Amino acid sequence: QVQLVESGGGVVQPGRSLRLSCVASGFIFSNYAMHWVRLAPGKGLEWVAMISFEGSDENDEFYVDSVKGRFTISRDNSKNTLYLQMNSLRVEDTAVYYCAKDDGVFTFDSWGQGTLVTVSS
Amino acid sequence: SYDLTQPPSLSVSPGQTASITCSGDKLGTKHNCCWYQQKPGQSPVLLISQYNKRPSGIPERFSGSISGNTATLTISGTQTMDEADYYCQTWDSLNVVFGGGTKLTVL
Repeated sequence: QVQLVESGGGVVQPGRSLRLSCVASGFIFSNYAMHWVRLAPGKGLEWVAMISFEGSDENDEFYVDSVKGRFTISRDNSKNTLYLQMNSLRVEDTAVYYCAKDDGVFTFDSWGQGTLVTVSS
Repeated sequence: SYDLTQPPSLSVSPGQTASITCSGDKLGTKHNCCWYQQKPGQSPVLLISQYNKRPSGIPERFSGSISGNTATLTISGTQTMDEADYYCQTWDSLNVVFGGGTKLTVL
């Protein structure tokens, strides 16, 4: 069965960086686009970023406006792993970050358990 | 940016039908709408996918429909275990959009 396991969350000061990872299993990782979605405290789900199944260059990456220029999504298909490099973190980036598998039509058919990122001084 | 509008909350009694709406200018045109359920402390679960299909394992009491620019998630015979947050979702110009979420209370 599909499994997505995130890691890398933690407490970080504003302006610092953090790198999230998501290890996938149970499906052919290189065949599917992948996403990061976050849930901030007291808020609703927010899509963060998407990367195509190849993820070979920046034209394969898409971001919500609030993270453009600060976050970078990437993938290593040889390691079945999705990444999210988060730079210049802000208090408002505090959230549980989920990786999610795209079923081919921008639908998230599998989700990880999430990893908590807390940005606080 | 593109918005999807959901009611913040809905309350139903066990056994009743719950209808959660999601409104957006581009729904019902080029792109359809998906629905997710999220319970406290758990990851979201896909309930209804593109073309109102139900993934395997999702109970038949969950169904989706669309009329004009409004999508509706219907839960027939609502159970206490259905108490959760529900989100609609679509996409436009390679941007994914979620509705604000509806907190369903069953009591």
